[in-house]
Amino acid sequence: GAVVSQHPSRVICKSGTSVKIECRSLDFQATTMFWYRQFPKKSLMLMATSNEGSKATYEQGVEKDKFLINHASLTLSTLTVTSAHPEDSSFYICSANPGQASHEQYFGPGTRLTVT
Amino acid sequence: DAKTTQPTSMDCAEGRAANLPCNHSTISGNEYVYWYRQIHSQGPQYIIHGLKNNETNEMASLIITEDRKSSTLILPHATLRDTAVYYCIVRDEMGFQKLVFGTGTRLLVSP
Repeated sequence: GAVVSQHPSRVICKSGTSVKIECRSLDFQATTMFWYRQFPKKSLMLMATSNEGSKATYEQGVEKDKFLINHASLTLSTLTVTSAHPEDSSFYICSANPGQASHEQYFGPGTRLTVT
Repeated sequence: DAKTTQPTSMDCAEGRAANLPCNHSTISGNEYVYWYRQIHSQGPQYIIHGLKNNETNEMASLIITEDRKSSTLILPHATLRDTAVYYCIVRDEMGFQKLVFGTGTRLLVSP
């Protein structure tokens, strides 16, 4: 099946710094990718839809200037958490769909961010 | 807003069938029922989907009621590795549409 990777798998950063998370579709092209955030014992919360070659669409309540999304190619989307604070510590997960004919959405393994 | 209702948790003995219910009484005609699961600290995994007919694949079976207001995911012979949170999601057929996750059902498979 299709594979989506994320890098890094874990990251620890200091408060006030920025962190970039990469999401790659390894064996298919994805014009659309999605970014989710998940707090402990909670469900996944959709943050934004990443569109190749255009601006991302953010869900209500998600600050676009804090969570910068860039989808520069058909296989790569990045999420940058700017000026990170301890409350940004979470599990960040991306997903991608191989195409309109596919009902499956493939998820990355997630990135565990800890802000100290 | 999640369009589905699922029990918070369920238990199942290893080797037995696990039947996970989902209520989606407001489902519209062009919406499919999708099931995903998330094993602890991993990304979600697609299991199965259906529109109105029952479906079966190598992982599970999906039974959808005739009025489409509810469905049941069946894991025929649960193993310890099936312990996970199972999410039932309704969405229309467009491949690029986002998935909105509800709270899911935490299934615990015990020896």
